[in-house]
Amino acid sequence: DAMVIQNPRYQVTQFGKPVTLSCSQTLNHNVMYWYQQKSSQAPKLLFHYYDKDFNNEADTPDNFQSRRPNTSFCFLDIRSPGLGDAAMYLCATRATGGRETQYFGPGTRLLVL
Amino acid sequence: GQNIDQPTEMTATEGAIVQINCTYQTSGFNGLFWYQQHAGEAPTFLSYNVLDGLEEKGRFSSFLSRSKGYSYLLLKELQMKDSASYLCAVRDSNYQLIWGAGTKLIIKP
Repeated sequence: DAMVIQNPRYQVTQFGKPVTLSCSQTLNHNVMYWYQQKSSQAPKLLFHYYDKDFNNEADTPDNFQSRRPNTSFCFLDIRSPGLGDAAMYLCATRATGGRETQYFGPGTRLLVL
Repeated sequence: GQNIDQPTEMTATEGAIVQINCTYQTSGFNGLFWYQQHAGEAPTFLSYNVLDGLEEKGRFSSFLSRSKGYSYLLLKELQMKDSASYLCAVRDSNYQLIWGAGTKLIIKP
């Protein structure tokens, strides 16, 4: 089945220790998103790619970086995680044309110790 | 600014009907989405409205009034598995989704 995959599902890191979250998709969608979601809050868009074009939200901290080496893969790098970065990180994809619904991966829950 | 409002929490009884409202103020409008999100899981797509009126899909229906900036999600024949958060999201003129904080729906037997 075509899908959005995120690894790992749970990630524990230490305060200040760099961490990378990964996302892959078999949908061949050209748009990919990274969201941060904290408990009982709306998903917060961090950045998105339209093909290789990178779009950073104005309020995304510099501590968050992203890479998209090809259509299928996208990575979220957190250079120096703080306690406030503990959250669910959601990857989503979207095709262009038609309804253009966003489809989400299962998410990675990040815990910072 | 851009704003999506929906109730924080609702409670309903198994087998009953519940309506979750969403009002929005956004810069541009290119469709409204409803997503279901179970605790600790990712949002899953439920419905999409871009024209005024009612879209029905099984036990779930979604309504849109663009002139009023208003939508609702109607859930019929509630089941315990419908206990989840329901997020309203509007796609703005930049084709980005503006999200509500979600309505936590609690189903009681």
